Amino acid sequence: GQQLNQSPQSMFIQEGEDVSMNCTSSSIFNTWLWYKQDPGEGPVLLIALYKAGELTSNGRLTAQFGITRKDSFLNISASIPSDVGIYFCAGPDSNYQLIWGAGTKLIIKP
Amino acid sequence: KAGVTQTPRYLIKTRGQQVTLSCSPISGHRSVSWYQQTPGQGLQFLFEYFSETQRNKGNFPGRFSGRQFSNSRSEMNVSTLELGDSALYLCASTGGPGLAGHNEQFFGPGTRLTVL
Repeated sequence: GQQLNQSPQSMFIQEGEDVSMNCTSSSIFNTWLWYKQDPGEGPVLLIALYKAGELTSNGRLTAQFGITRKDSFLNISASIPSDVGIYFCAGPDSNYQLIWGAGTKLIIKP
Repeated sequence: KAGVTQTPRYLIKTRGQQVTLSCSPISGHRSVSWYQQTPGQGLQFLFEYFSETQRNKGNFPGRFSGRQFSNSRSEMNVSTLELGDSALYLCASTGGPGLAGHNEQFFGPGTRLTVL
């Protein structure tokens, strides 16, 4: 079935750094979603992308829907401590079921 | 409007017991999906219910079952619990398949199940 490959698996960041992560698939997706999950909580939708090439921002977060429709990128500018958590990408298959990436864990460097 | 609620938030059971978890979707949402999340793992899809019917099912054994009521509230049941069932169980709601924004799932806080 369809799979989403997310990278990196984890990232150590220092406050103020910019962060980039991506999600790729061998199949085409018509929608890309980016979620963030804080420890012990459910994921929260950050950005939804519906059109190839689309670039959408939500505060310091910017996500792009790849032109090939097989990838998407999420960037966080000037990271702050509350950015730590797990970021998931997701996209629907032909039956409207969401396929999920394994997540990118953001950790603050001590 | 109120978000997705899940009860209970925490649960401790022993092997062999069964458990029922509850999820109330956002008002007006008719689709509820359930996921299992173990430490360090992504979201593993269990099943989705829409209009009281199971629409999709993931690759979990028959010990995992669910249902949806006419008010869209959903329950999932795990029978004959195993140690490996310890996980965060999340439910998410959307309006329904084919509707605008259906893919944008709204999650509850989850039920943390510990099996001893």
